[in-house]
Amino acid sequence: NAGVMQNPRHLVRRRGQEARLRCSPMKGHSHVYWYRQLPEEGLKFMVYLQKENIIDESGMPKERFSAEFPKEGPSILRIQQVVRGDSAAYFCASSPPQSYEQYFGPGTRLTVT
Amino acid sequence: AQSVTQPDIHITVSEGASLELRCNYSYGATPYLFWYVQSPGQGLQLLLKYFSGDTLVQGIKGFEAEFKRSQSSFNLRKPSVHWSDAAEYFCAVATNFGNEKLTFGTGTRLTIIP
Repeated sequence: NAGVMQNPRHLVRRRGQEARLRCSPMKGHSHVYWYRQLPEEGLKFMVYLQKENIIDESGMPKERFSAEFPKEGPSILRIQQVVRGDSAAYFCASSPPQSYEQYFGPGTRLTVT
Repeated sequence: AQSVTQPDIHITVSEGASLELRCNYSYGATPYLFWYVQSPGQGLQLLLKYFSGDTLVQGIKGFEAEFKRSQSSFNLRKPSVHWSDAAEYFCAVATNFGNEKLTFGTGTRLTIIP
């Protein structure tokens, strides 16, 4: 059983470009969480999704950020018009229904130049 | 809202020595508690968890943690550290069944010296 997969592992974008981060959960997991880790800080919750539904987006910035988890395919975290402050590691985690155990992917390290 | 405090930003221990990493939480009831480890450039790996029952829980890689309700603490311990234990350690809590998002502490970086 493959683990949580994230791609790309590293992403470089210029200010104003769009960043798309992908997360494929573990097989059988229908819940996906996105977290952001700024340098020298812990992980901060961004958004919690189930298939085709956003359950909690209280940690998402109100502008430029969006997330989806379609019926088919990976979950996508999209950042429009990136700024230098978006540079961070973005982690995805997945879990089966009604479980507190989250399994983390290796992360996508976004650098905005 | 719940919060997690890891008071030690950086700890250095000698290989073979014992280890204790501190974690305190703030929440009105007993949350679900976790310890994760992150090696440089990697994702997070679950070391152990506490949901209920026995307050001393065993995890992977020889780690254990003890939940103390009176102190709102969930400290991580290991009797004898190995050089491969050098990493960043995060304590986390989850509080809402049906929305299992995690709240993390800021982490403790562990350095092992020969």
